[in-house]
Amino acid sequence: SQQGEEDPQALSIQEGENATMNCSYKTSINNLQWYRQNSGRGLVHLILIRSNEREKHSGRLRVTLDTSKKSSSLLITASRAADTASYFCATVGGNNRLAFGKGNQVVVIP
Amino acid sequence: SQTIHQWPATLVQPVGSPLSLECTVEGTSNPNLYWYRQAAGRGLQLLFYSVGIGQISSEVPQNLSASRPQDRQFILSSKKLLLSDSGFYLCAWSGGYRQGGNTIYFGEGSWLTVV
Repeated sequence: SQQGEEDPQALSIQEGENATMNCSYKTSINNLQWYRQNSGRGLVHLILIRSNEREKHSGRLRVTLDTSKKSSSLLITASRAADTASYFCATVGGNNRLAFGKGNQVVVIP
Repeated sequence: SQTIHQWPATLVQPVGSPLSLECTVEGTSNPNLYWYRQAAGRGLQLLFYSVGIGQISSEVPQNLSASRPQDRQFILSSKKLLLSDSGFYLCAWSGGYRQGGNTIYFGEGSWLTVV
């Protein structure tokens, strides 16, 4: 089964900068999703991009999907201290179940 | 609106003791239900999922079990805990496939420390 793999694993940026995370997967997908997890909390769904979409926006979030390269990126623009969290990508394949990556820790320094 | 609750939020259990984590969903019917485990610094591992009452699928062999006695209730259990069972356990739900998207909604998690 496919698994998202985020890259880089940890990112530390100054408030106001943009943060970019990448995710790769191995098999064909129906959609790809990004989740955020604040320390010690449950995961919160951020955005879903379908396999026939190439880019999607939600507020300060921008997600791209390149199915030919089997990769996705999450861009957070004008980061805030509250964006400090771990970010996970997850893929949905033919079995309709999510496979999560290991997460990408982002620290935004005020 | 839909909500998901799981409890307890934290617990410390001795090796060999039983475990029961409970999860309920409100505001929806016939949800798909999931139990995930997250070890420190690692991703999420799907333990069990259920598409209906009494229907449980196990993803990994282990000494944990799950039950779904009611449509919106999902229980994670163990008869005898191992040290390796320590971790962060997350209950989650999603709509059926026809509802589209397969977005999963998570509870706040339960921290289990086996000592």
